[in-house]
Order: sequence, then structure tokens, then C-alpha cells
Amino acid sequence: KAGVTQTPRYLIKTRGQQVTLSCSPISGHRSVSWYQQTPGQGLQFLFEYFSETQRNKGNFPGRFSGRQFSNSRSEMNVSTLELGDSALYLCASSFRGPVPRYNEQFFGPGTRLTVL
Amino acid sequence: AQSVTQLDSQVPVFEEAPVELRCNYSSSVSVYLFWYVQYPNQGLQLLLKYLSGSTLVKVINGFEAEFNKSQTSFHLRKPSVHISDTAEYFCAVNPNFNKFYFGSGTKLNVKP
Repeated sequence: KAGVTQTPRYLIKTRGQQVTLSCSPISGHRSVSWYQQTPGQGLQFLFEYFSETQRNKGNFPGRFSGRQFSNSRSEMNVSTLELGDSALYLCASSFRGPVPRYNEQFFGPGTRLTVL
Repeated sequence: AQSVTQLDSQVPVFEEAPVELRCNYSSSVSVYLFWYVQYPNQGLQLLLKYLSGSTLVKVINGFEAEFNKSQTSFHLRKPSVHISDTAEYFCAVNPNFNKFYFGSGTKLNVKP
């Protein structure tokens, strides 16, 4: 089974631009969660999508948004980029269900975003 | 509210020595507990998990963790570390099938 894939792996943008990152979950997984990882703040939860609906949201400004398609692929968008948005953005997928093992998260390799 | 605390941001240790990475959590509901490992320039990989049953969880590469409900802890241990264990380790809780909460991470640096 193919793992979680994220594209692109690396991205360089300038302040004020916007960016879209993509995540393809493991086949059959219906939930996609996004995290921002920085040296100073660690791993911070952005949001989770399940069945094309945002189910959970972290404490990030409205510049950060996402969506999920019918095939469970997800995109996140950051508008009006700031220097502080430079980070590794990780996506994780899970089946999501009432049984604990269904909620194990599998992570992709991440997209390294650098804002200049 | 849920939270995860990893008290040690960095742990230096010599090869073949034992190591313990500490993780404490707070939660008002039942939780499921995980340890993830992250190697440089990679995503997180699941190391081990506690969902139910025996409170001592062991995996094939020698790592183990024990769920202690009274102390709300899930410390990760290995009796003898290897250079290749150098990585960052994250503890996470998943209360009641809701979102995951991650600790701030512990960088394990194994020296020869």
C-alpha cells in the first residue's frame, strides 16, 4: 500500500504570496490532518478534514485554510505569506472510526516551505 | 483540556547505554497513547502505541513504553541504544477518537 504523499516537497515563496500544498492519503483513509512544525513551536495542529468537511481546527489565523476532495485528497492554502510561516507542513491520514486502531495517524514526508 | 508534556527537550546518551524519554499527559477522558519518531528531513513514523490491554508495550527494535494511568505517564525506554536511534521522538495522545495532541518533542543524541 502506498503511503501518504505530499507535494511539493520543497517550496520557496516571498512575503505576501499565497501557496497551496497537496496531500494524498493512504488508499481507504478518509481523514486528513495538517500540522505545522517549527523549531520554536514544535508540532502544531492546523485542521482535520473528514468526508470533505472540516472536523477539527487549531488556533491559526484565517489565512490558513484547507479543503478535502471526494477522493479524500486534501489541499491546504496559506494566503498573504509571512516570514513566520516558514515551516515543515505535515499531513497525516487515518481511517477514522469508532475503533481505536482506526484512528492511528500515518504521516507524509512533509512540505518544507521557506518564506523570504 | 488535553495536553502532553515532554520534559526533556534533548537527551544525550552514549551508545549501548539505556535511555528513558519521559512523557506525561493530562486528560479528563480515556486516551490512546503513541510514540512517533522523526528522522532528519522526514515525516513522523509510528514507533509504538497503547490502545488497550497490557500496559507495557514493546516493539521489535527494542523500544518499550509503559502506560501508567495513576501517574498519567507513557515513558519510552530502550535498554541499549544505537547510533541509528538518533532522532526526535514525539509523544502523542488521542482522547476519545478526537484530534491528536503532540508533545514538544525530545531530541535523542546517541554518541559513539
